[in-house]
Amino acid sequence: QVQLLESGGGVVPPGRSRRLSCAASGFTFSNSALHWVRQAPGKGLEWVAGLSIDGNIAFYGDSVKGRFTISRDESENTLFLQMNSLKPEDTAVYFCARGHGSIPGTIIPLESWGPGTLLSVSS
Amino acid sequence: DIQMTQSPSSLSASVGDRVTITCRASQDIRSSLAWYQQKPGKAPTLLVYVVSRLQSGVPSRFSGSGSGTEFTLTISSLQIEDFATYYCQEYYSTSPTFGQGTKLEL
Repeated sequence: QVQLLESGGGVVPPGRSRRLSCAASGFTFSNSALHWVRQAPGKGLEWVAGLSIDGNIAFYGDSVKGRFTISRDESENTLFLQMNSLKPEDTAVYFCARGHGSIPGTIIPLESWGPGTLLSVSS
Repeated sequence: DIQMTQSPSSLSASVGDRVTITCRASQDIRSSLAWYQQKPGKAPTLLVYVVSRLQSGVPSRFSGSGSGTEFTLTISSLQIEDFATYYCQEYYSTSPTFGQGTKLEL
């Protein structure tokens, strides 16, 4: 059974950094495209970043490009999102998600999601 | 960037109703279109991908159609558990975009 569990959320002052983690189990981590999606309070879904199956190619949304970095540790089956220069508008629930296992590529439908972790950027 | 526009933004319906949600893309996205359902306080779940393929475990009352720039999600006979918010998503571009959501209310 696929399981994804995010951690690392909390309250962070503007301008600071934070790293989110997503612990994965129940599937072949090293053979999966992995993504971060966020949802600001009361708002819709916004795709943040995605990492290719081989872990070598990263894609970012325009609002986070240059500030956020997606990466993974295969030995720990963990996905990360390093967030720098945080802004109040980064306040959101952050979900990690796994790309559909039957579709090749990186930018693909997201078939498994974690419950999310809330990040609040506030002084 | 590709813009995804859903309509309506909200919809009132009753159990047993047939409902249709529309999603329009700002450019041709071929068949790279998925639909998700989200209930309050929960993560989204994938319903449909490649326009019309039902994700495993999704009831057959859900169906998707369309091509190019216009797509629809239809629920043939609403059940109480279907009242939720629905999002379309294009995955044609390298910066995939979600629609703004359609809240389905009783």
